[in-house]
Amino acid sequence: NAGVTQTPKFRILKIGQSMTLQCAQDMNHNYMYWYRQDPGMGLKLIYYSVGAGITDKGEVPNGYNVSRSTTEDFPLRLELAAPSQTSVYFCASTVAQGDNSPLHFGNGTRLTVT
Amino acid sequence: GDSVTQMEGPVTLSEEAFLTINCTYTATGYPSLFWYVQYPGEGLQLLLKATKADDKGSNKGFEATYRKETTSFHLEKGSVQVSDSAVYFCALSDQGFGNEKLTFGTGTRLTIIP
Repeated sequence: NAGVTQTPKFRILKIGQSMTLQCAQDMNHNYMYWYRQDPGMGLKLIYYSVGAGITDKGEVPNGYNVSRSTTEDFPLRLELAAPSQTSVYFCASTVAQGDNSPLHFGNGTRLTVT
Repeated sequence: GDSVTQMEGPVTLSEEAFLTINCTYTATGYPSLFWYVQYPGEGLQLLLKATKADDKGSNKGFEATYRKETTSFHLEKGSVQVSDSAVYFCALSDQGFGNEKLTFGTGTRLTIIP
């Protein structure tokens, strides 16, 4: 059981480049999330999705886009990379909304924009 | 808005020492409280939770009690092991709002020395 798989693990981008962070889960979870973790800070929610075809903004969505064409995949797109987007990105999923459904996290993608 | 404040790290202890990691929160309603743990090279995983005042969450020898009067959810363990070395995150969710409203603390890095 792979759980939540994120690729790549590490990436260095130049300012203005674009890239897609991949996230896939094999648990048939409806709810998926993207967080970023900056040094010395807690996780901040970027975007989330409650099911295929449905996405919504979180706390810090600027500079990012997402899509959810299937239940399994929830890619995060950076169109014009900026140094402020240097961070560790975590994808997470859960089976249902509510406190009794813990989040399952991927291992993270460490992104550096120079 | 909601916020979570954790004790500053890093924390270094000897094996079998007693552990306390402080966590206090600010919330408008009656939140649920969580501790997540991130082992080296892995994503976050739920360690324990409490959904109402005076509840005690416990798992793997760790405990935390939901104290409404002091707005606290301190993590404790009586005898730590080297395998407990990780980063610990306190988090809250507004009751009824689900995982998209999770607010995380900044994390506390714990290192246990043999």
